[in-house]
Amino acid sequence: DGGITQSPKYLFRKEGQNVTLSCEQNLNHDAMYWYRQDPGQGLRLIYYSQIVNDFQKGDIAEGYSVSREKKESFPLTVTSAQKNPTAFYLCASTPGQGVQRGGYTFGSGTRLTVV
Amino acid sequence: QQQVKQSPQSLIVQKGGISIINCAYENTAFDYFPWYQQFPGKGPALLIAIRPDVSEKKEGRFTISFNKSAKQFSLHIMDSQPGDSATYFCAASIEGSWGKLQFGAGTQVVVTP
Repeated sequence: DGGITQSPKYLFRKEGQNVTLSCEQNLNHDAMYWYRQDPGQGLRLIYYSQIVNDFQKGDIAEGYSVSREKKESFPLTVTSAQKNPTAFYLCASTPGQGVQRGGYTFGSGTRLTVV
Repeated sequence: QQQVKQSPQSLIVQKGGISIINCAYENTAFDYFPWYQQFPGKGPALLIAIRPDVSEKKEGRFTISFNKSAKQFSLHIMDSQPGDSATYFCAASIEGSWGKLQFGAGTQVVVTP
């Protein structure tokens, strides 16, 4: 079955530590996205990528970094500069410009907690 | 600030009743309005979507009503079932923006037996 795989499902970060969240898709989608979900705030866009080796900042990119070395992979690093990283992180993909044809496909998320 | 305002934050409806969730937007460039359904611990899943050239779209028990002049759209869940208990998000995007969606804050729906 095609879909998006996020790992790990739960992640704990110590103060000052960088952590990387994995996102892999086998849908052959061009565009990939990272969203952060906090209670009562909906989903906010962190970074997105339209094509391999290219990505753009979203609304809340500070303290995060990404890479897109392969079409199927879009890992997110939460750096020590992100002062409030505890949240539910969602990766998504779409075929590309024609998002209206199918909307997003989301992964099952990674819940990150600072300890 | 949020570009898409969603209300209510939560609602409780009896089985068989109608759930209504409302969203409003300001940016008239938005031209695609999807609704997503999310169960606890899962990612959202596309439920139904509408473009502004139609005023209503129905898929099964789910209906989107769209009022372009008022810049509002709403989701109606008819004959609500306990399995519909979830968080619902409205969203909006602009064609050509590579799918960047602006989400509402979400509505937690609880359907009681």
